[in-house]
Amino acid sequence: QITLKESGPTLVKPTQTLTLTCTFSGFSLSTGEVGVGWIRQPPGKALEWLALIYWDDDKDYSPSLQSRLTITRDTSKNQVVLTMTNMDPVDTATYYCARHSMVRGTEYFQHWGQGTLVTVSS
Amino acid sequence: DIQMTQSPSSLSASVGDRVTITCQASQDISNYLNWYQQKPGKAPKVLIYDSSSLETGVPSRFSGSGSGTDFTFTISSLQPEDIASYYCQQSHNLPLTFGGGTKVEIK
Repeated sequence: QITLKESGPTLVKPTQTLTLTCTFSGFSLSTGEVGVGWIRQPPGKALEWLALIYWDDDKDYSPSLQSRLTITRDTSKNQVVLTMTNMDPVDTATYYCARHSMVRGTEYFQHWGQGTLVTVSS
Repeated sequence: DIQMTQSPSSLSASVGDRVTITCQASQDISNYLNWYQQKPGKAPKVLIYDSSSLETGVPSRFSGSGSGTDFTFTISSLQPEDIASYYCQQSHNLPLTFGGGTKVEIK
């Protein structure tokens, strides 16, 4: 059974750095054609992709947020960490991590964590 | 960036109705289109990938079609448990992008 769970602060102050951890089980990030991504959703709004890290440690970022994001992995702990610098109230959202699967040439977020709500406020 | 335009943004239908949602990409994305269901307060769940492939365990009343720039998601017979928001997502190019969502309610 594949599970993912996000953890991190629920409240951060403006200008602070957010660090979120995704702890997963049921698969290995060392296996080919697998990745873990981060997606966020402001309250009442649509989903927004943030970053992806792949089985070969390749990384991709949303261009609009790339200067603020860093994604890393710890394969021994089955964890993926996302840091976002210079947080602003507009970054208030539920942050999800998800397993990114590559199947027969296509790619999609096949398994999702429950999400964690992060509020940015002084 | 590839823009994904979903319509309608919301709809109300009766149990048993056929429900159709459309998603238009701003450029050709071949078949690289996925559909997710998000129930209130829950994480999204993939229903359809590669435009028309049904994810394992997903009821057959859900289906998808299309290629290029125009895609359709259909619920053949709306059930009460289908109350949710539905999102399309393209995986043809980075950055990965989602549609604005369609909220489905029971009439």
